[in-house]
This record gives sequence, C-alpha cells and structure tokens, in this order.
Amino acid sequence: QPQLQESGPGLVKPSETLSLSCTVSGGSISSSNNYWGWIRQPPGKGLEWIGTIYYSGYTYYNPSLKSRVTISVDTSKNQFSLNLSSMTAADTAVYYCARLAVTTYIDYWGQGTLVTVSS
Amino acid sequence: DIQMTQSPSSLSASVGDRITITCRASQVISNYLAWFQQKPGKAPKSLIYAASTLQSGVPSRFSGSGSGADFTLTISSLQPEDFATYYCQQYSTYPLTFGGGTKVEIK
Repeated sequence: QPQLQESGPGLVKPSETLSLSCTVSGGSISSSNNYWGWIRQPPGKGLEWIGTIYYSGYTYYNPSLKSRVTISVDTSKNQFSLNLSSMTAADTAVYYCARLAVTTYIDYWGQGTLVTVSS
Repeated sequence: DIQMTQSPSSLSASVGDRITITCRASQVISNYLAWFQQKPGKAPKSLIYAASTLQSGVPSRFSGSGSGADFTLTISSLQPEDFATYYCQQYSTYPLTFGGGTKVEIK
C-alpha cells in the first residue's frame, strides 16, 4: 500500500507563504487511477479540503482558499506540493496530504504535519 | 457548496453496543459518500467509500448505508479500539466537504 509523508516548516510567520511537500512511496504519482490532495485540520476542529491535483497538473481548489493556494506535482520526485500564501493565525492547522481514487474518494492519508503561524 | 451534517455530535456507548451515526447532505449526492475514523493525534483512516463499500482491512462490524442525501455508519458491536471521532465526506461535487464529526466516547 502507498505511503505518504509530508515535509516542511512547522512554524511560519504571518503574511509569509507556507510550502509543504508530500513524498509518495509504494506507488507512482503518475498513476492514471489517482488524484492527490491536501486537507487541513485546525487544532480541535474538523477537516477542510484544500485542493486536489492530477499527475498531469490539473487542479481543483477550495474556493475559500483559491486566491492563496497553489498545488503542483513533480513526477520525477514522486512528490506533490502545497503553497499557501499570506498566512495568518487562522491557517494554523495540521496539514495532511492524501491519495484519492479516480472517483475522488480519499483512500490513503499522510501522517500530517502541524503548521503554526506566529511571529 | 454541499453542507454535510452529522448527528449526533457526540455519543457515549459501552463495549459491545451497536451504534449508528447519521450524515445528511444538503443536496443529493447519489452514493458519493465516504466515512473516516480519527483517533487523537492521528491521521484519519479511511473506512468506507461509495456509501457502503468497506476499505480493505476494515473489520466487518463497520457498515455503511444510504443513498441520495441520507446516510448512516453503523458499528455492530463496539470494540475498545473503535472509540474515536468519525467523519463523513461527500465527493460528488467540488469543493469536497466533510461533516463536523461524531465523537464516540466510552460510557
């Protein structure tokens, strides 16, 4: 089964851009059967979908974050990445990367990484 | 956006109990409904997709049902490892949206 691992800074300053990567092992990110996505969870709260990407680069973003989000894929590294600009305290959350089946249900999750926004 | 409403938001139950969690979508989503289990400090785990299909390795005491806008997750005989928070999620339409969660606690 695939494994997904998030990496990136645990602390970001307000107004800065968050950059996270998700490395996929045990499967190819170029599979035509899968999408790849980012989901976040503020401390003590529920889950929020951020966006999804296909290996070809086609993306879907949550409209609530669309102006600040960029998701990209690097097939040579079997990775995909999240950039979220203009970070505020409200963006403090655990960020998860995930694999989605072609019908877009989530089947595998990364372990998550806590990102805190603070000066 | 499609709103997903779960009920109850929390429940207390004993080992061996049968419990049911309800998820209602604000519009028809056919059977594009998934369920996840999350334990404290851990990533969610995928349990069910297509409203009623168990992910590989998920115990058969878990079952899902429903279609259209109303769905249920049932645990037929609650085990100690089942105490967790459960989320539903629709994948019929972007943006993908989650329910608010149901926390299952030990009575």
